[in-house]
Amino acid sequence: AQSVTQLDSHVSVSEGTPVLLRCNYSSSYSPSLFWYVQHPNKGLQLLLKYTSAATLVKGINGFEAEFKKSETSFHLTKPSAHMSDAAEYFCVVSDPNSGYSTLTFGKGTMLLVSP
Amino acid sequence: GAGVSQSPRYKVAKRGQDVALRCDPISGHVSLFWYQQALGQGPEFLTYFQNEAQLDKSGLPSDRFFAERPEGSVSTLKIQRTQQEDSAVYLCASSLGPGGAPIVDEQYFGPGTRLTVT
Repeated sequence: AQSVTQLDSHVSVSEGTPVLLRCNYSSSYSPSLFWYVQHPNKGLQLLLKYTSAATLVKGINGFEAEFKKSETSFHLTKPSAHMSDAAEYFCVVSDPNSGYSTLTFGKGTMLLVSP
Repeated sequence: GAGVSQSPRYKVAKRGQDVALRCDPISGHVSLFWYQQALGQGPEFLTYFQNEAQLDKSGLPSDRFFAERPEGSVSTLKIQRTQQEDSAVYLCASSLGPGGAPIVDEQYFGPGTRLTVT
């Protein structure tokens, strides 16, 4: 079985300061890991994915994440927050060895950005 | 180009009514997934289609839930005799290939259907 734990339900930052959203995973296999973002009334959008290539993954809108196997972590970071980054973020794990790629989502972290 | 679309966007049903939720995936996408997202939670897997074949329905919460994709494109999720606990956002996602090793395809999500059962 696989699962993800997002350690913070809410994170508040000021515009221009760094963002850190924490995620730990549990998987019996070498997992594929993703971060998705969900803006209000919009569909989920893929930010980035890790699929056993480089451990530091760069995504859209300046976000990146680092896969650390020893810590079973896949934290999402951004050097400088923008107001438009305010949204809910989901850490997601998938077992690539299954016949298809069902996604298992964390409970989400709401990112609040203040001026 | 066109993304995944879902209809209706909002649905209010009285307890005991049947509802049908539609998903139009991206044209040519082989895989189609349904997820249920309860308030304040992450999406949870319901069922998976590869073309018209329903390969996994292990996430359907009860036999009141039924999904189909008869021609391998549009899919319908049907809920019979709705209950209050069925209130959630139902998300549809599609991906190009069948997924799995060695490639994990990106899933493209629709905006969801918010179902409220009163």
